[in-house]
Amino acid sequence: GAGVSQSPSNKVTEKGKDVELRCDPISGHTALYWYRQRLGQGLEFLIYFQGNSAPDKSGLPSDRFSAERTGESVSTLTIQRTQQEDSAVYLCASSLVGRVDEKLFFGSGTQLSVL
Amino acid sequence: AQSVTQPDIHITVSEGASLELRCNYSYGATPYLFWYVQSPGQGLQLLLKYFSGDTLVQGIKGFEAEFKRSQSSFNLRKPSVHWSDAAEYFCAVGAGKTSYDKVIFGPGTSLSVIP
Repeated sequence: GAGVSQSPSNKVTEKGKDVELRCDPISGHTALYWYRQRLGQGLEFLIYFQGNSAPDKSGLPSDRFSAERTGESVSTLTIQRTQQEDSAVYLCASSLVGRVDEKLFFGSGTQLSVL
Repeated sequence: AQSVTQPDIHITVSEGASLELRCNYSYGATPYLFWYVQSPGQGLQLLLKYFSGDTLVQGIKGFEAEFKRSQSSFNLRKPSVHWSDAAEYFCAVGAGKTSYDKVIFGPGTSLSVIP
């Protein structure tokens, strides 16, 4: 596709349920990032994938959060046993090879609401 | 580890007035620095970036930023603000000893423009 695609755009779930968020990066981009943005706050780094290297999971807030990436394409962020504090916009971004001098291309995000 | 602070949570300026948004970073070496803008209902867009060379960088939409190593700052400026500049502004830093690294975002500054 032309840009980073995220689905669903909105997700409402009940506390304790599991959710899966999907990100399709720009074709050919080997680097993929997940960020969380709580209402009125900045972006919080969650996890970073680059090619076949082991992902940088240093930003995941708890073991309820996990992410996978299939090769250099689709990534899925899974939140188990959701809590109300998980409510936020989850943003995905990709770049060509993950160099810091590259531009990050962001998706439009998934708005997650935990009731 | 690198970090970014944006001291001003919210700023209000009149249309046509000048603007300066503050950003301070923490990192032992020369970082890569970015400013992103997030307009209502839109994704994040790169305004400008600094890697090396001239410490005054020009970006899109008439924005500029100046890197000051002695102050660990990378403040964003615009000489005359337009109503369409109302948005959330994020300073970000990329750092690391390898070419592949993650970008850390500051908490953001919300800009309101009075007609």
